Amino acid sequence: KNEVEQSPQNLTAQEGEFITINCSYSVGISALHWLQQHPGGGIVSLFMLSSGKKKHGRLIATINIQEKHSSLHITASHPRDSAVYICAARGLGSNYQLIWGAGTKLIIKP
Amino acid sequence: DTAVSQTPKYLVTQMGNDKSIKCEQNLGHDTMYWYKQDSKKFLKIMFSYNNKELIINETVPNRFSPKSPDKAHLNLHINSLELGDSAVYFCASSQGEDSPLHFGNGTRLTVT
Repeated sequence: KNEVEQSPQNLTAQEGEFITINCSYSVGISALHWLQQHPGGGIVSLFMLSSGKKKHGRLIATINIQEKHSSLHITASHPRDSAVYICAARGLGSNYQLIWGAGTKLIIKP
Repeated sequence: DTAVSQTPKYLVTQMGNDKSIKCEQNLGHDTMYWYKQDSKKFLKIMFSYNNKELIINETVPNRFSPKSPDKAHLNLHINSLELGDSAVYFCASSQGEDSPLHFGNGTRLTVT
């Protein structure tokens, strides 16, 4: 069992729907990253958070350290949001190491 | 103004050859990384350099050797390429351990 688990693995939704992608981890962490990998392969860092909530445009990331859980939300989803979303956790005292989730493939249909 | 650039984007080569992938960042970051993305899309760290010094060296074959001539560059040399080396390799940088990662666009290596 991977120390960082994402769900769902695949998600297909209609344009405009509210999207939630979940990330659970089993180790103590000091920070968690959310990244987006486009169909063309490029990877973009969306958020890095260690507590609470962050918002950027239509994207919202939350983390609950006690529950070892983070969520990425997309409001008013659009076909251009179609991508793979990856969470990665930095373990306590891990010295730059990240534990990567397997990614969630999101498809938004027009 | 590409922040992290890696070249080439595609690399097709035969088994046994030696090849290099170059990475440069113009963000002034202290830390650079090489990741390998396998067929299951997991990103696995291979190496990390902080200010030209190796800080992470995961269990990769010693055919892979990183070279950091300065903190803006981290190149990856691969000797005696094997079929299993086929993957997408990503370079990334960050300003320290607590900062977001910035990725290059990846190099798709195909070994035939």
